[in-house]
Amino acid sequence: RKEVEQDPGPFNVPEGATVAFNCTYSNSASQSFFWYRQDCRKEPKLLMSVYSSGNEDGRFTAQLNRASQYISLLIRDSKLSDSATYLCVVNGGDYKLSFGAGTTVTVRA
Amino acid sequence: SAVISQKPSRDICQRGTSLTIQCQVDSQVTMMFWYRQQPGQSLTLIATANQGSEATYESGFVIDKFPISRPNLTFSTLTVSNMSPEDSSIYLCSVVSELSYNEQFFGPGTRLTVL
Repeated sequence: RKEVEQDPGPFNVPEGATVAFNCTYSNSASQSFFWYRQDCRKEPKLLMSVYSSGNEDGRFTAQLNRASQYISLLIRDSKLSDSATYLCVVNGGDYKLSFGAGTTVTVRA
Repeated sequence: SAVISQKPSRDICQRGTSLTIQCQVDSQVTMMFWYRQQPGQSLTLIATANQGSEATYESGFVIDKFPISRPNLTFSTLTVSNMSPEDSSIYLCSVVSELSYNEQFFGPGTRLTVL
């Protein structure tokens, strides 16, 4: 079983739409959680950390459910520039990150 | 944020040869890591580069194949030894910076193709 599993998508949505996707992780001892964004042929960049209480950063909302070992990301009012691969990332300890395979989002005009 | 550079940015190598990838950070960082991203896949951690001592390798990766050096707090190298086409991948270094609330930053990656 993979440590982090994500819905690969692709999610193809019109501008202005809301898109949501999630991931699950297998290590119940995981300490911290993140969403990274990776554009084509670029390195991953941190989008946001994910906290147990849920957190928002502008149009992006992340949720963590430790009991179900489940993380979600919601993007409101999608922009063309939101088109990317979104990586669910889990820190199992000592900053060793486990990456999901990524969810591809394409926002069309 | 930490600024990371990697050299080379890409290379095409012959089977059986070795390539050393350099990672340079513009500030002292606590931790440095090496990841691999194979075509169409996500990132996999190869090892933690420890300053002044042997790297700590993840399951499936060994020192003979991926020797790593970290002589100081801003620089590390990863060597891909005795390459085969299966080693074709993007290799990325990453760092954890205490100055940025322990956010982990990634270098631009080295795209390696083995013929």
